[in-house]
Amino acid sequence: QQQVKQSPQSLIVQKGGISIINCAYENTAFDYFPWYQQFPGKGPALLIAIRPDVSEKKEGRFTISFNKSAKQFSLHIMDSQPGDSATYFCAASRGSNYQLIWGAGTKLIIKP
Amino acid sequence: DAGVTQSPTHLIKTRGQHVTLRCSPISGHKSVSWYQQVLGQGPQFIFQYYEKEERGRGNFPDRFSARQFPNYSSELNVNALLLGDSALYLCASSLTGSTDTQYFGPGTRLTVL
Repeated sequence: QQQVKQSPQSLIVQKGGISIINCAYENTAFDYFPWYQQFPGKGPALLIAIRPDVSEKKEGRFTISFNKSAKQFSLHIMDSQPGDSATYFCAASRGSNYQLIWGAGTKLIIKP
Repeated sequence: DAGVTQSPTHLIKTRGQHVTLRCSPISGHKSVSWYQQVLGQGPQFIFQYYEKEERGRGNFPDRFSARQFPNYSSELNVNALLLGDSALYLCASSLTGSTDTQYFGPGTRLTVL
């Protein structure tokens, strides 16, 4: 019940296309769902996050879609650019428990 | 402002040895969390400290220990190293420990031979 399952494991998208990464969770107590971006040799950086009271959040080219009933959330990267090539992680945490549970990651490659 | 700093950047140890990893949080941040990231996987939570007290512990053996100092910097200690301890060890700092204000350092790459 603590797992966060992320797919796909890797993704290749043409420049200008839409990149979509999906995550599913089981613990309904989770109430914070962030996405992190990690470049090789760097620590993860918070990209965008959502709480279950909204179904969508958009920041620039990045959008999180959240489906509470299906216990799924996804990251959409519009107009994908080569600089977006990185590993993306979804994660979840609950209430006063500050432990983030992470997905396994998606390696995204944007082809020029 | 300096971000989260970690030292050393890379470390090579042999099985059975002990290692100490260090982390300096962002100025003003009072909470430090430690994560282990094995190659090809997401980070796994090890510890969180806030105001020098342990606030959370992940599912790691007692060989792993940590502490936070009065200046809010932190050390992660691992005893009796195993090959499986080879990983990137990440430190994250935040003002209060909340996951939505957490910033990660670049990590320490530990290789156990």
